[in-house]
Amino acid sequence: NAGVTQTPKFQVLKTGQSMTLQCAQDMNHEYMSWYRQDPGMGLRLIHYSVGAGITDQGEVPNGYNVSRSTTEDFPLRLLSAAPSQTSVYFCASSVSGGYQETQYFGPGTRLLVL
Amino acid sequence: GQNIDQPTEMTATEGAIVQINCTYQTSGFNGLFWYQQHAGEAPTFLSYNVLDGLEEKGRFSSFLSRSKGYSYLLLKELQMKDSASYLCAVRDLLRSNDYKLSFGAGTTVTVRA
Repeated sequence: NAGVTQTPKFQVLKTGQSMTLQCAQDMNHEYMSWYRQDPGMGLRLIHYSVGAGITDQGEVPNGYNVSRSTTEDFPLRLLSAAPSQTSVYFCASSVSGGYQETQYFGPGTRLLVL
Repeated sequence: GQNIDQPTEMTATEGAIVQINCTYQTSGFNGLFWYQQHAGEAPTFLSYNVLDGLEEKGRFSSFLSRSKGYSYLLLKELQMKDSASYLCAVRDLLRSNDYKLSFGAGTTVTVRA
């Protein structure tokens, strides 16, 4: 199993550009989520999905879109990048909300918006 | 949402013990997690508590008091490789099979020789 994979690892964008951060997992996990991590603020939930075809907003969803057409993939779209979106983005997955369930994190995407 | 508080930094000597406290406020508590994150890497799971008491896993132990909204992570026999950020995370169950995991800002632990 590759676990949770993310691409790209690094990206530089200009303000106003759009891009998609890819996330895939091969563990047949139902629950997937996207976080951003900024210094001194911890991980903040952007969007999450409890299964294919179902998505919901997290704590900081503005400026981001997601879709979940398959169990494996959960891409995060930045429609018009802004410098405030400079951050490290982590995708995570877990089986479900069951007892002692933990999330597995991808390696992260480091995004710089100029 | 949740308010999750933990100290920003802690320093300890190799071989010593360090206790990282975490306090939280939540409406639908469904478990508390501790993650370890080395610089430039992804968080990795350390421990999980949903009932009151102490869970021990080798050199790491985690304690939970739901009535006090309080947890701690205890690191014993510290090693240099334990230098990392330790994240406290609280899970809220919103409805069946729908939950959110919220993280504290993390505690950076530095182990010195």
